Amino acid sequence: GAGVSQSPSNKVTEKGKDVELRCDPISGHTALYWYRQSLGQGLEFLIYFQGNSAPDKSGLPSDRFSAERTGGSVSTLTIQRTQQEDSAVYLCASSLVGLAGPQGIQYFGAGTRLSVL
Amino acid sequence: KQEVTQIPAALSVPEGENLVLNCSFTDSAIYNLQWFRQDPGKGLTSLLLIQSSQREQTSGRLNASLDKSSGRSTLYIAASQPGDSATYLCAVTMYSGGGADGLTFGKGTHLIIQP
Repeated sequence: GAGVSQSPSNKVTEKGKDVELRCDPISGHTALYWYRQSLGQGLEFLIYFQGNSAPDKSGLPSDRFSAERTGGSVSTLTIQRTQQEDSAVYLCASSLVGLAGPQGIQYFGAGTRLSVL
Repeated sequence: KQEVTQIPAALSVPEGENLVLNCSFTDSAIYNLQWFRQDPGKGLTSLLLIQSSQREQTSGRLNASLDKSSGRSTLYIAASQPGDSATYLCAVTMYSGGGADGLTFGKGTHLIIQP
C-alpha cells in the first residue's frame, strides 16, 4: 500500500473488555514496530517484529498485551481486560529492513486512539 | 536505560524567525538519531536521520547536527513558516547486536509559528 494503515482510527471500549488493533505495513517492509503515546508521556516502544517473529517482548506493559504478525504482513496488537490506564494512541511503524540505518527508517501510521471508559 | 530530553517543551515565535530545538540523550552509544514532526491526529513524519558517524544533515530549511560524545543534537529551522507548526520529536536508535531496537523518543517540542 501507499503507507502504513491502522484500524480502527478510534476505539472506545469499556473497562474489562478485550480490544484488537490492526496494522497493515507498507508492502515489502519486513520490520514492524508498535509504540504507545499516552497523554503527557513520550512515545513508548512496545514490540518489534522481524518477519513474523518478535525477538524481544519485554517492552509490552503487562501480560494483558500480546501481539502477532502473520504472513510477514498484517500485525494485530491485542489488549485483554482493558484498564483505564491503557487509554492512549497506539502507533505502528514499518521499515524496509530491521536495521539501524537508512534502510531502517521507520514510516508511521496515523495511529489508533483507544479510550477505555 | 537511554533517556531522551527535549528543550523547550513548547515554543511560539513570529513567522520568519530562525529557531533551534534541542535534544539530549544520556547514553552516547547510539546508532543513529532522527528528527520527526507530528501533526495533530496524524502519524509521525521523518524529517532527518543522522548516522552516529555523521555531524549534520540538511534538508531544505532544516539542518540537524549531532554531537555524539556530548549526547546532544539540535534541529535548526530557517525562515520559519506557519506550516512548520507541529510537535517535533527527537529519537535515537540503540544497536542491539542482531538487529534494530525500537526508537527511544523525547517528549517533543510543541512549536507554534505565528503568522
